[in-house]
Amino acid sequence: GDSVTQMEGPVTLSEEAFLTINCTYTATGYPSLFWYVQYPGEGLQLLLKATKADDKGSNKGFEATYRKETTSFHLEKGSVQVSDSAVYFCALGDNTNAGKSTFGDGTTLTVKP
Amino acid sequence: EAGVAQSPRYKIIEKRQSVAFWCNPISGHATLYWYQQILGQGPKLLIQFQNNGVVDDSQLPKDRFSAERLKGVDSTLKIQPAELGDSAVYLCASSLPLQPTLYFGEGSWLTVV
Repeated sequence: GDSVTQMEGPVTLSEEAFLTINCTYTATGYPSLFWYVQYPGEGLQLLLKATKADDKGSNKGFEATYRKETTSFHLEKGSVQVSDSAVYFCALGDNTNAGKSTFGDGTTLTVKP
Repeated sequence: EAGVAQSPRYKIIEKRQSVAFWCNPISGHATLYWYQQILGQGPKLLIQFQNNGVVDDSQLPKDRFSAERLKGVDSTLKIQPAELGDSAVYLCASSLPLQPTLYFGEGSWLTVV
């Protein structure tokens, strides 16, 4: 079955540091890939997505590129802020099953001033 | 545009008691999902509805969990009787038909003591 593996956390960075959170996936077919973010006490919200190989999703300074050859969708940001502190979830969406999604276990990011 | 609404936000019950959670999706979203998120893990799909029909309930523990979406709009998830291991956040999400992007509510936090 489909699965998503994220790098284990927690991750602690200083403000303005470079961020990478690794995500790899296993899927049959051609899924869409997502990063969702969960701020403390809130539900998940979409951060960015990519629907096909070599697509780059971007939002709020975050980027991720859909790499079919390495089955990866790593999240990056060049300069993190304290407000980026949250839990980040990588997910894949089954385009053939009306949106059924599989999530990784999340990576907690803490950014210190 | 109003987001996905869920209630109650927090619930504490004793084991073997029952509990119900309510969800109202974004207007026009025919697909509705209930996910269970145990602390430290990613969301796991419990059930998926398309309008008022069930698309996938393969991961729903049917001996104690039930869900309905009678008029194709709002939905109720019930647990009866609750067990200690049911302590989790119950997330409702909705999406447009055949679209993999999910829109989540803030979640209903359940503690079973």
